[in-house]
Amino acid sequence: QKEVEQDPGPLSVPEGAIVSLNCTYSNSAFQYFMWYRQYSRKGPELLMYTYSSGNKEDGRFTAQVDKSSKYISLFIRDSQPSDSATYLCAMSDRGSTLGRLYFGRGTQLTVWP
Amino acid sequence: NAGVTQTPKFQVLKTGQSMTLQCAQDMNHEYMSWYRQDPGMGLRLIHYSVGAGITDQGEVPNGYNVSRSTTEDFPLRLLSAAPSQTSVYFCASSYSPHLDQPQHFGDGTRLSIL
Repeated sequence: QKEVEQDPGPLSVPEGAIVSLNCTYSNSAFQYFMWYRQYSRKGPELLMYTYSSGNKEDGRFTAQVDKSSKYISLFIRDSQPSDSATYLCAMSDRGSTLGRLYFGRGTQLTVWP
Repeated sequence: NAGVTQTPKFQVLKTGQSMTLQCAQDMNHEYMSWYRQDPGMGLRLIHYSVGAGITDQGEVPNGYNVSRSTTEDFPLRLLSAAPSQTSVYFCASSYSPHLDQPQHFGDGTRLSIL
């Protein structure tokens, strides 16, 4: 079983839709959770970072962590065609140091006008 | 400000050849790392460095060497290329290794081993 599971999609939604992206994990020691966005032929860029359980909001993006269920989510409100990309979840158990990040395999999202 | 620059962008090698993937950053970041990205596998850490002269192994280090002689550069060397090393390679840097510091990724090197 992989440490981090993420449905690769693809996911296709109309502009303005609410998008829900999810990851599950098996290691209860994970405490740091991140979402990266990766456009085609580009490197990943950090979207959201959360520590432990709870919600974090940044503009149209909301990250949720449920440690009891070992489940994290990224919600995108009022989705735009520019949100079309692959979204990668990542997590770590190494305290506050980078150490080793465990990545999901990414979910490919297309937002059509 | 160029950020993280990777060269070359594409490369085709024959089995057994060696080559060096270049990575340079102009942000004075201490922390640099190399990942490979394969379909269905996500990003996996190969090697990382917390500063000039200091390197360590990641999750999949076999077949790769690194060195860090300057803050700016962190080259990745393939000693004897194998088809299993066909992948997209990303270099990343950050101000510190702490997880709340964003990692800045280059645009990748697409490597095919025949």
